[in-house]
Amino acid sequence: EVQLVESGGGLVQPGGSLRLSCAASGFTFSGYGMTWVRQAPGRGLEWVAAISSGGVTHYIDSVKGRFTISRDNSQNTLYLQMNFLRAGDTARYYCAKVRTLGVTSFDYWGQGTLVTVSS
Amino acid sequence: DIQMTQSPSTLSASVGDRVTITCRASQSISSWLAWYQLKPGKAPKLLVYKASTLETGVPSRFSGSGSGTEFTLTISSLQPDDFATYFCQQHISYPITFGQGTRLEIK
Repeated sequence: EVQLVESGGGLVQPGGSLRLSCAASGFTFSGYGMTWVRQAPGRGLEWVAAISSGGVTHYIDSVKGRFTISRDNSQNTLYLQMNFLRAGDTARYYCAKVRTLGVTSFDYWGQGTLVTVSS
Repeated sequence: DIQMTQSPSTLSASVGDRVTITCRASQSISSWLAWYQLKPGKAPKLLVYKASTLETGVPSRFSGSGSGTEFTLTISSLQPDDFATYFCQQHISYPITFGQGTRLEIK
């Protein structure tokens, strides 16, 4: 059974940093791309970043230069390093597994971890 | 960026009703569209990918159709478990974008 468990969320001041983790199990982690998607309070889903099985990364413009997606295939873990956080980054952050190669849909999701950026 | 527009934003319906949600893309995305169901406190669930392919395990009352710029998600006979928020997503190019969501509520 595929499981994705996010951790690392919390309350942080504007300008601060957080690192989110996503522990994966139940599939060959190294063989699949992974992604982060967020949902701000009362808002819709917003794709944030993706990393292919080969380590190629993509980001939404609003986080470029501030967020870094990475993966540790030996630990079956996905990360999102978030620096220079802003109030607008407040959201529940979900990690998700991509279904196939390339730009694709996301077939498994975690339950998310909440990030609150506030002074 | 490709803009995705869903309608309606809120839909009130009863158990047993047939409902349809529409998603429009700002440019052609061929059939590269997915639909998700989101419930509070639960992981989002993939329902349909490539516009009309039902994800494994999704009940057959769900169906997707469309291509190009206009797509629909239909639930043929609403069940109590279906009251949730639904999102469409284009997966033809980065940045991946979602519709703003359709909240399906009990009438």
